Amino acid sequence: GQNIDQPTEMTATEGAIVQINCTYQTSGFNGLFWYQQHAGEAPTFLSYNVLDGLEEKGRFSSFLSRSKGYSYLLLKELQMKDSASYLCASPSGAGSYQLTFGKGTKLSVIP
Amino acid sequence: ETGVTQSPTHLIKTRGQQVTLRCSSQSGHNTVSWYQQALGQGPQFIFQYYREEENGRGNFPPRFSGLQFPNYSSELNVNALELDDSALYLCASSLVGSGGYTFGSGTRLTVV
Repeated sequence: GQNIDQPTEMTATEGAIVQINCTYQTSGFNGLFWYQQHAGEAPTFLSYNVLDGLEEKGRFSSFLSRSKGYSYLLLKELQMKDSASYLCASPSGAGSYQLTFGKGTKLSVIP
Repeated sequence: ETGVTQSPTHLIKTRGQQVTLRCSSQSGHNTVSWYQQALGQGPQFIFQYYREEENGRGNFPPRFSGLQFPNYSSELNVNALELDDSALYLCASSLVGSGGYTFGSGTRLTVV
């Protein structure tokens, strides 16, 4: 089975850097996704990590350590529009078709 | 790409009723998954369809059922609605083997 944990809420200041952590316990690892979800909207894809290390995409970066069962999403130069929930998810199931999500981290960006 | 579209966007039903939610997959995608997202929670996997057959199911009772059509659109049916079924229902389409999922904006179901 899968167990994914992430903090419930975080607050950060506009222009700052914030790191959202995710720890997971899986019976078989098939990579880790990060999604952004604004209230009432669809989750949108941010990143997918399969190998250890840091992947950077503009203001957003994602890190994975498979040996530690740990990932983080790093958001730089925070903007007000970054206020959203950030979901950590990993594929599970025999065919890796089922995404198991954490409960999501609600990020509030304040002026 | 047209993305994933879901209908209706909002729905109110009475306990005990039945509901059908619809999803049109992103062009080129051949699998569709349904998720239930309660307020303040992450999405929970309901089931997935591939080639018009269910090929994976989460921890949901049989009153949750679905269909996938030849054009890859899909329906989620819920019978005997309960108050706890109130949630955002998300549809996600993907191309098998690609690892990528595109989500729709969801249907907000309220059971009263």
